[in-house]
Amino acid sequence: SAVISQKPSRDICQRGTSLTIQCQVDSQVTMMFWYRQQPGQSLTLIATANQGSEATYESGFVIDKFPISRPNLTFSTLTVSNMSPEDSSIYLCSVEKWPDTQYFGPGTRLTVL
Amino acid sequence: AQTVTQSQPEMSVQEAETVTLSCTYDTSESDYYLFWYKQPPSRQMILVIRQEAYKQQNATENRFSVNFQKAAKSFSLKISDSQLGDAAMYFCAYRRGSSGDKLTFGTGTRLAVRP
Repeated sequence: SAVISQKPSRDICQRGTSLTIQCQVDSQVTMMFWYRQQPGQSLTLIATANQGSEATYESGFVIDKFPISRPNLTFSTLTVSNMSPEDSSIYLCSVEKWPDTQYFGPGTRLTVL
Repeated sequence: AQTVTQSQPEMSVQEAETVTLSCTYDTSESDYYLFWYKQPPSRQMILVIRQEAYKQQNATENRFSVNFQKAAKSFSLKISDSQLGDAAMYFCAYRRGSSGDKLTFGTGTRLAVRP
């Protein structure tokens, strides 16, 4: 498995501002993933982040809105830009570890007013 | 595109009893993985059990077991001797066999455990 931490655990932000969420894992991993879970909903993949390359975004998600950095094999950030109330969600990062299984961080609960 | 369906939005079980959560999926792939994740109110997604499609034997993890019916594309989770700590949202998830591929989640089943 993996030990994954996320910062912040929760935040309340004003519309039009940006928030950067950090994800730290206790061992080197190739693939990191960012998911969004809207209130009462399931998880939807935002993007996949490989170290040393541009993140790959899912349909409906764009880099200008959700820029991602992956500076090394244990760390990634997701920024939620120019926020609106519709961005209020739980944001989760995950990593893939042997055997072909994703493990999740504790999530960041974001509320946009 | 792959889809995952959980037809039971809510379930309830008496403590110490057994409950089965249903999941069906649709895929044209032959190599894939299936998972059950648990999300308690703390919102942490916790892996419960995984199943490789090429394995005919159903996976088990202590009180948790699955009934994997590949031809029917069905993947149900059985929880035996239910405990109060089992109360949570349970998500079924699918992943293609390619390393690094995304998880596709069902809509979840909320399980309540009655004392």
